[in-house]
Amino acid sequence: DTEVTQTPKHLVMGMTNKKSLKCEQHMGHRAMYWYKQKAKKPPELMFVYSYEKLSINESVPSRFSPECPNSSLLNLHLHALQPEDSALYLCASSQTPLAGDRDTQYFGPGTRLTVL
Amino acid sequence: GQQVMQIPQYQHVQEGEDFTTYCNSSTTLSNIQWYKQRPGGHPVFLIQLVKSGEVKKQKRLTFQFGEAKKNSSLHITATQTTDVGTYFCAGRTSGSRLTFGEGTQLTVNP
Repeated sequence: DTEVTQTPKHLVMGMTNKKSLKCEQHMGHRAMYWYKQKAKKPPELMFVYSYEKLSINESVPSRFSPECPNSSLLNLHLHALQPEDSALYLCASSQTPLAGDRDTQYFGPGTRLTVL
Repeated sequence: GQQVMQIPQYQHVQEGEDFTTYCNSSTTLSNIQWYKQRPGGHPVFLIQLVKSGEVKKQKRLTFQFGEAKKNSSLHITATQTTDVGTYFCAGRTSGSRLTFGEGTQLTVNP
């Protein structure tokens, strides 16, 4: 089973709202990732969690706040977003972070976010 | 920093024609991964290549990793309408994050 699940599938929010995106995997993977993908562009890495600790933050604005409550769950808390933050937000996981053959990343279906 | 260039950006083919997309890295890669993203979908892992000169096949798809581990290609024989989507390569140097190519968007006319 190589399934990564994400909720919600779609989210529309105003610039003053607070919302959260959720990601879950039960493959025993110890690395989890958040990516942002704009239309017709490749995924852009935002955050990497390695063994439940934040290991990479790609200079993401503080209005995006990741959280990894346990090895199976990854959240992305959103607050005071801008319309240009509208995108597909993808979660991914891999067996180990940045470790050769075992870092094959499996993506979830994504949350399509619209900020009004 | 590491860059992965992918060409072409778009490819339109008639069903039954072959298709190839190419990736080139500015640095030597430890491995390269290929993903397919259907319209409205998410990237789905296809394959990972690790060894210099490696060739792997999945039915009508053939993946190659160059001898210098700086380039890779994906070739589809006799395309079908189910092959429609964007194909991304993603390369990694040792101990670093994946760097995605810009993707090749394939359309297949029936």
